[in-house]
Amino acid sequence: KAGVTQTPRYLIKTRGQQVTLSCSPISGHRSVSWYQQTPGQGLQFLFEYFSETQRNKGNFPGRFSGRQFSNSRSEMNVSTLELGDSALYLCASSLMVSETQYFGPGTRLLVL
Amino acid sequence: AQKVTQAQTEISVVEKEDVTLDCVYETRDTTYYLFWYKQPPSGELVFLIRRNSFDEQNEISGRYSWNFQKSTSSFNFTITASQVVDSAVYFCALSGPAAGNKLTFGGGTRVLVKP
Repeated sequence: KAGVTQTPRYLIKTRGQQVTLSCSPISGHRSVSWYQQTPGQGLQFLFEYFSETQRNKGNFPGRFSGRQFSNSRSEMNVSTLELGDSALYLCASSLMVSETQYFGPGTRLLVL
Repeated sequence: AQKVTQAQTEISVVEKEDVTLDCVYETRDTTYYLFWYKQPPSGELVFLIRRNSFDEQNEISGRYSWNFQKSTSSFNFTITASQVVDSAVYFCALSGPAAGNKLTFGGGTRVLVKP
């Protein structure tokens, strides 16, 4: 069974731009979560989606948003990029909420 | 609030030595799950183990073993006979209903296994 896939793998943007990251969960998994990893803050939870509904949201500004489609694929969007948004963005999927989360390879975002 | 602490930031060992990673957690949930993930240089978080808070039985899986002690809120992880391929950052994580079942991670422990 294919694992979680994320596109793109690498991205370079400039301040003020916006970016959309994509995540395809493991086949059959209905829950998708997003995490941000930075050297200073570590791994932080962004949000979780299940059946196209946002179930949980972390402590991030409104510039960070996401959605989930009927096929469980998910996208996250960051508007008005700031230098501090440079990070590894990890997507994880699980069969159901509270099940083990399996992670994708991540998208490395660099904001210049 | 949930909190996970990994006091060791980096551990360096020589191949074939055992490595034990410490993890201490805080939660107000009575039912929760504990995890260990491995992050090699490629960046992907690889799931290793998961334990339910009601199951304190310690187990061994290959070269991995874990020691879950609810009384001290600790969930330590041991790699036996380490290999160079074990070099990675290891994260302990906690999830529970009080935080909406999101994963709360510790700061990670970097393990360097030298040949």
